[in-house]
Amino acid sequence: DARVTQTPRDKVTEMGQEVTMRCQPILGHNTVFWYRQTMMQGLELLAYFRNRAPLDDSGMPKDRFSAEMPDATLATLKIQPSEPRDSAVYFCASGFAGGAEQYFGPGTRLTVT
Amino acid sequence: QKEVEQNSGPLSVPEGAIASLNCTYSDRVSQSFFWYRQYSGKSPELIMSIYSNGDKEDGRFTAQLNKASQYVSLLIRDSQPSDSATYLCAVNEGSGYSTLTFGKGTMLLVSP
Repeated sequence: DARVTQTPRDKVTEMGQEVTMRCQPILGHNTVFWYRQTMMQGLELLAYFRNRAPLDDSGMPKDRFSAEMPDATLATLKIQPSEPRDSAVYFCASGFAGGAEQYFGPGTRLTVT
Repeated sequence: QKEVEQNSGPLSVPEGAIASLNCTYSDRVSQSFFWYRQYSGKSPELIMSIYSNGDKEDGRFTAQLNKASQYVSLLIRDSQPSDSATYLCAVNEGSGYSTLTFGKGTMLLVSP
């Protein structure tokens, strides 16, 4: 059963702490996307990778967010330092390059107090 | 800036009725169109894709695309309470670009 996996599923942290979220894309998919979802903004694209190379991270606050793909089976999104306004659900999605269909992981619900 | 517009709803329909969900998009070069279903507290799930003008049917779901009007819709026949969810419209400009622009979704409520 091919699925995108994400860890942790829930994270509660205090303002100023570092948060790292992890994603394992579907095996064979070579594009990975990070999204943030809030009630007000809906789904926002933060960054995406193709063949592990970052193609666009213009949706990310550069001073505190960073995204990497250390290998084809792992993508990470890091926030340092975290702020209350970062509270949201963060989704990872994967797909094939050349196709537009994306498959979402279960998400990480982040609460920053 | 590319925009995808959806009525936020809620759209309320009785069980067994046809639910009609609509979406308009601003970028004329858009090539691929998708509908995602998102249950409360869950992640978006791809349910339909459509690439050419006309209708595409899959079970109780029919996607309709009109590129001239920049309009895409999703019809759900014989609506069930289990169809109650938020439906997200997503658009891709094609030409090898993989990113999607999402609407904010329409909440559908199907009452028994």
